[in-house]
Amino acid sequence: IQLTQSPSSLSASVGDRVTITCRASQGISSYLVWYQQKPGKAPKLLIYAASTLQSGVPSRFSGSGSGTDFTLTISSLQPEDFATYYCQQINSYPITFGQGTRLDI
Amino acid sequence: EVQLLESGGGLVQPGGSLRLSCAASGFTFRSHSLAWVRQAPGKGLEWVSSISSSGDYTYYTDSVKGRLTISRDNSKNTLYLQMSSLGAEDTAIYYCAKGSSPDIIRGSGLGAWGQGTTVTVSS
Repeated sequence: IQLTQSPSSLSASVGDRVTITCRASQGISSYLVWYQQKPGKAPKLLIYAASTLQSGVPSRFSGSGSGTDFTLTISSLQPEDFATYYCQQINSYPITFGQGTRLDI
Repeated sequence: EVQLLESGGGLVQPGGSLRLSCAASGFTFRSHSLAWVRQAPGKGLEWVSSISSSGDYTYYTDSVKGRLTISRDNSKNTLYLQMSSLGAEDTAIYYCAKGSSPDIIRGSGLGAWGQGTTVTVSS
């Protein structure tokens, strides 16, 4: 299952609302996960089951979608949110990631 | 606090072998699936392999089948990745990650990651 994220990169400002999309090449129900990765660091799980916020993740992050189309929304960008975001499908093996979306200031 | 600590990376010649380890603490190791995910320099994340909580089921991405072997020792709280016939395409940071029980598929994602260990394949 291929995952295509858009855009590949995005420039935004503190306080902006940002949406990243992830499209699956076939239906994956709601088995879609979002991660955040900062330079030189390991990825961090943000959202699983398409819309369930991981414990400790700020509520400005939200996810939606099912089937083949998914979105990650950051309601009001904070300085610490500038990072690369990846979607991942865990509906079936082989597990796949999207190519990533780099979010810059 | 969940901790995953990878070790065993380094410089290896093409065709060589390496064994990565991931020592885990802070959770019930035997109850969780585990995975190896790699990231080539400047590239995105690539799932490499997973193992079920019991160790009975293992899965691999096509490009590593027959060359990489995942295993776990639930008595030592340690995950392993035996790597052989390495090529330049295997150069990457290798992360171990904690999944759901009993498998990653249809679970709640990879909720904890190690800091990674770097594997460089070069002559």
